[in-house]
Amino acid sequence: EDQVTQSPEALRLQEGESSSLNCSYTVSGLRGLFWYRQDPGKGPEFLFTLYSAGEEKEKERLKATLTKKESFLHITAPKPEDSATYLCAVQGINDYKLSFGAGTTVTVRA
Amino acid sequence: SQTIHQWPATLVQPVGSPLSLECTVEGTSNPNLYWYRQAAGRGLQLLFYSVGIGQISSEVPQNLSASRPQDRQFILSSKKLLLSDSGFYLCAWSSGTGAVEQFFGPGTRLTVL
Repeated sequence: EDQVTQSPEALRLQEGESSSLNCSYTVSGLRGLFWYRQDPGKGPEFLFTLYSAGEEKEKERLKATLTKKESFLHITAPKPEDSATYLCAVQGINDYKLSFGAGTTVTVRA
Repeated sequence: SQTIHQWPATLVQPVGSPLSLECTVEGTSNPNLYWYRQAAGRGLQLLFYSVGIGQISSEVPQNLSASRPQDRQFILSSKKLLLSDSGFYLCAWSSGTGAVEQFFGPGTRLTVL
């Protein structure tokens, strides 16, 4: 069974203080690894799909990287509006479903 | 562009009452549709998925059922709610033609009392 573990559970940052979130996964044949952002009381918002080790994607202050065992979401010079819960999910080659981690809640103070 | 709607946004129901949550997608045809449940502090859990009208696959045996009466409509139902059915219910869609990303609706917060 696919497993996704995210760390840390919570992260408090000062505005401008860069940091990284970790997503460790096990899956028998990776079809894709996904990062989502979720604001309180709302549905997850899609950020990135990574397909193979070595791949990187960027969007504004966010950069996602992928190895064979884990993915990192780097937040560079965060702003208060980057405060959210960031979810990582994997999909196996023969699966329709996404297997999600519990998320990392990021709080950025001005 | 594609849009996904869910309603109601919030719902408070007594134990033993029926449930019907609706999800519709606009701007795409033949989508794959999904129902997830999110419990506090835990990851999203897939409940049902559908690759076409009338085609439903269940991931977790439970008190809930799903139906897809139209191409872009997905309904989550229960005949008798349990306390454990409380949670945040999310509908999602993905393209039926190869792309893997799933896009989520705004969710329904269900509280069973």
